[in-house]
Amino acid sequence: TQLLEQSPQFLSIQEGENLTVYCNSSSVFSSLQWYRQEPGEGPVLLVTVVTGGEVKKLKRLTFQFGDARKDSSLHITAAQPGDTGLYLCAGQYGTALIFGKGTTLSVSS
Amino acid sequence: GAGVSQSPSNKVTEKGKDVELRCDPISGHTALYWYRQSLGQGLEFLIYFQGNSAPDKSGLPSDRFSAERTGGSVSTLTIQRTQQEDSAVYLCASSLRSAGYEQYFGPGTRLTVT
Repeated sequence: TQLLEQSPQFLSIQEGENLTVYCNSSSVFSSLQWYRQEPGEGPVLLVTVVTGGEVKKLKRLTFQFGDARKDSSLHITAAQPGDTGLYLCAGQYGTALIFGKGTTLSVSS
Repeated sequence: GAGVSQSPSNKVTEKGKDVELRCDPISGHTALYWYRQSLGQGLEFLIYFQGNSAPDKSGLPSDRFSAERTGGSVSTLTIQRTQQEDSAVYLCASSLRSAGYEQYFGPGTRLTVT
């Protein structure tokens, strides 16, 4: 059973476009994290959201945690080629971090 | 300071052989995690070590998988009698303390079983 569903699985856009990636679950998480992973490297933490309804901004990236702490979204404004990578959401579930399958983003110039 | 390191970076082995994968966590981090990442899949939790507590082995897929952490630092993941479905990238992460703290990942070991 996949606890965290990410959509879309793949996204290919032009530089300058906006995009949103979704992370949904039927389970409640105490916190949710977003990671970015580049080929040949491990994931790198972008943000942790803890409070229902929380919104965090990291330059052109906006992260939102759903009111019920079951879902989250990542919005990128004016995407750049450097944003290309695999974006993973992960929910804290006991001692384990449960990962979604990820969204592969490709931004072309 | 040094991040999490893993060795080898790549490992090709024949079906049925045993393999050992090594993880050196960030110094001072008490928590250590192993994950497996298969093509098209997210990260699958395998095992979690926290200090001197008994490890959480709930994610290990079969009894062919085992892991140990010596002296609260270096960890070794062992896969016995490897199968082709074991082919994946094995990632190690460490965090300063227990669950909820930021996890820092190593670059992974890509295991290919032929």
